[in-house]
Amino acid sequence: DGGITQSPKYLFRKEGQNVTLSCEQNLNHDAMYWYRQDPGQGLRLIYYSQIVNDFQKGDIAEGYSVSREKKESFPLTVTSAQKNPTAFYLCASTPRGPGNTIYFGEGSWLTVV
Amino acid sequence: QKEVEQDPGPLSVPEGAIVSLNCTYSNSAFQYFMWYRQYSRKGPELLMYTYSSGNKEDGRFTAQVDKSSKYISLFIRDSQPSDSATYLCAMSAGNQFYFGTGTSLTVIP
Repeated sequence: DGGITQSPKYLFRKEGQNVTLSCEQNLNHDAMYWYRQDPGQGLRLIYYSQIVNDFQKGDIAEGYSVSREKKESFPLTVTSAQKNPTAFYLCASTPRGPGNTIYFGEGSWLTVV
Repeated sequence: QKEVEQDPGPLSVPEGAIVSLNCTYSNSAFQYFMWYRQYSRKGPELLMYTYSSGNKEDGRFTAQVDKSSKYISLFIRDSQPSDSATYLCAMSAGNQFYFGTGTSLTVIP
């Protein structure tokens, strides 16, 4: 089935460690996004990528990094510089161009202790 | 002022009731409007997608867009306990998407 696969679903890390969240899509979508969801704050854009080898910062990019080496994959690294990394992270994708809706993966829960 | 405003609720209704969920927005450039359902600890699932003003119906769900008032609504008829979730509105201009904070709905059997 086509879709967006995020892994791991749940992740626990010690403070000061970098962690990478995986996102793979087989929808042949051009654009991919990472959002962070905190209670009462809605979805906040971390990074997005319209094409391979290109990506742009979103509203809360500090402390995060991404890569887009393949069309299907858009991993997110949460670095030790991120002040409050415990959150629910959502990967999403959409075909290129206006008029397309956005589809989400099942999310990854990151807890930093 | 936020681009998209959505009442967070919580909203609690008896089974079988008609539910009305709403969002307002400020950017007149928005042309595509979406509603998502999100169960606890899951990713948002697309429910409805409409372009410009008008109504769209899909089973028990009806989406309405009033661009003149910058107001969108989602109606759920004959609500079921399985409809208990958080509902997010979203809208887009180009390749950028803007989301409401979500309304928490509980349907009581």
